[in-house]
Amino acid sequence: KAGVTQTPRYLIKTRGQQVTLSCSPISGHRSVSWYQQTPGQGLQFLFEYFSETQRNKGNFPGRFSGRQFSNSRSEMNVSTLELGDSALYLCASSYGTLGYEQYFGPGTRLTVT
Amino acid sequence: GESVGLHLPTLSVQEGDNSIINCAYSNSASDYFIWYKQESGKGPQFIIDIRSNMDKRQGQRVTVLLNKTVKHLSLQIAATQPGDSAVYFCAESPARTGNQFYFGTGTSLTVIP
Repeated sequence: KAGVTQTPRYLIKTRGQQVTLSCSPISGHRSVSWYQQTPGQGLQFLFEYFSETQRNKGNFPGRFSGRQFSNSRSEMNVSTLELGDSALYLCASSYGTLGYEQYFGPGTRLTVT
Repeated sequence: GESVGLHLPTLSVQEGDNSIINCAYSNSASDYFIWYKQESGKGPQFIIDIRSNMDKRQGQRVTVLLNKTVKHLSLQIAATQPGDSAVYFCAESPARTGNQFYFGTGTSLTVIP
């Protein structure tokens, strides 16, 4: 079974631009969560989608948004990029949304200049 | 301001020895826990999970212990191998928060051949 895939793997953007990252979960998984990983803050939860609905949201500004499609694929968008948004963005998928194993993709490395 | 990197505990062990990685979690309402392994340039890899109604769970070469009284988790790796060198994270999920996981700062394990 294929794992979680994320595209693109690397991205360089300038301040003020916006970016869209994509995540394809493991086949059969309906929950997709997004995390931001930085050296300063570690791994932080952004949001979770299940059956096209946002179920949980972490403590991030409204510039961070996401959505999930009917095939469970998910996208996250960051508008008006800031230097501090440079990070590894990780997507994780799970079969369900309460107490199920969660598997991560390889991440998208975003650099904002 | 300038971000400061998280202080990452480190553990060095000889190849063949057993490793014990500890984690203190913060929320007494957390009822599901996962240990992840992250190698450089990769996303976190699922190792083993445990629910709050258990004290111990064993996998292949790994054992997770949960002490709810003191909010402490440990990961034991038997016969540690060079391929086990990585950063290890514990993640906790409070009850009824879906797949919103809170991650520890991680422990860097180095296996000395």
